[in-house]
Order: sequence, then C-alpha cells, then structure tokens
Amino acid sequence: DSGVTQTPKHLITATGQRVTLRCSPRSGDLSVYWYQQSLDQGLQFLIQYYNGEERAKGNILERFSAQQFPDLHSELNLSSLELGDSALYFCASSSTPGMAGHNEQFFGPGTRLTVL
Amino acid sequence: SQELEQSPQSLIVQEGKNLTINCTSSKTLYGLYWYKQKYGEGLIFLMMLQKGGEEKSHEKITAKLDEKKQQSSLHITASQPSHAGIYLCGALPNTGNQFYFGTGTSLTVIP
Repeated sequence: DSGVTQTPKHLITATGQRVTLRCSPRSGDLSVYWYQQSLDQGLQFLIQYYNGEERAKGNILERFSAQQFPDLHSELNLSSLELGDSALYFCASSSTPGMAGHNEQFFGPGTRLTVL
Repeated sequence: SQELEQSPQSLIVQEGKNLTINCTSSKTLYGLYWYKQKYGEGLIFLMMLQKGGEEKSHEKITAKLDEKKQQSSLHITASQPSHAGIYLCGALPNTGNQFYFGTGTSLTVIP
C-alpha cells in the first residue's frame, strides 16, 4: 500500500460526458502528479501540482483540467469525453517539488475510465 | 522532447534465469528511476540512479546508470515468478521538470 488513494476505482461513462477523478496523496506529500496510461500511448505525464500550485504540465488536453485543494487532495476533471480517453489514470505523490534531487513518486492504484 | 526507449518490449524467461532490461534516453538524464507495475495496478518504486556510473541493488535486482547518463540497465538474478510484471524506467531531464516514462518491458517468469 503506497498511501496514495484514488477514487473511484472504475468509471464507465458515455461520450460527451464529464467526470472527476479524485486523489489523496500520502500524508505529508505536497506534490501530486497525474498520469494517463493507455495501450497505445503508454504512461503519459499530464500535470503536477505542488502545494496547491501548478508546477509542470505535460501532455494534458485542453478538455482536461486539474486542481489541488488546501488539504492537498487533487481532482482531475475530464470533459467532453471521447472514446480515446478510455485509459487508466494514475495519481502519484512525492514530498519534493520535483525540480531536482530525489523525486521518488508513490503511485495510487489508479482509476480505470471506460468511455462508451 | 525527452524519449525513453526500453528493450526488450517483452521477455519470457524460465524461473531461475538471469535477465537484463535496458532503458535508453535521447538526452542526458538528471535522474533515472525504475518502477515495477503489476498488470492493471499502480507503480512500485524500485530504485533511483543519479550519478554516472552509479549502481544500486535491491534483493536480486541491480540497476546501473552509464557514465554518460543516457542509458540504464536493470538486471535480475535468478528470476522468480514474483518478478513478473511490467518494468518501467522514468526520468527527469536536465532541463524542465516534466517526468517521462519509458515504453515498458513486460516480464513473464515461467515456473
């Protein structure tokens, strides 16, 4: 158990809909990372927050947005869903901002999103 | 953009055999991380390498980072079924702070 929790575990929805994925980092970790894992794209970094502020942005679509709340939990919002958005979405947390030095990330169990 | 290529893509070995997985970067790395993922589950951190020439071991798994910090290898000695899974290398480039993952290597260990 990494200490990172994600809800829900599974999500099935229809195209055009909007969903919210939730992540609670390990106790004390200030950084939260979101990743998308699909068969064709592999594991892709989406976005990172550190102590409530956006820190780094990866291959995140404009239809997707995220935020980190004062209690450090984070939410990833996916809107106007398309079939191709079906994937495993992972959240990870670390104690550092990730700019330099040790950046061990602890991963949650993931949310499996299926868009029909 | 940073790219991490892993080889082989998949590996099937008999229990007890040794094996090596490689991770090659298109750019010099600031840090190289190895993770293991069981199918459909989250990633488990194995080890991190930062210095050129560095080598680290954990139980029967050894990872090395070459001197130029552009390639890493993960070696498993006397493989066991518990080693099965997907091995991913991840890296922070020298500039920027976007974390990249390799293409992954799927390992199957036959009892």
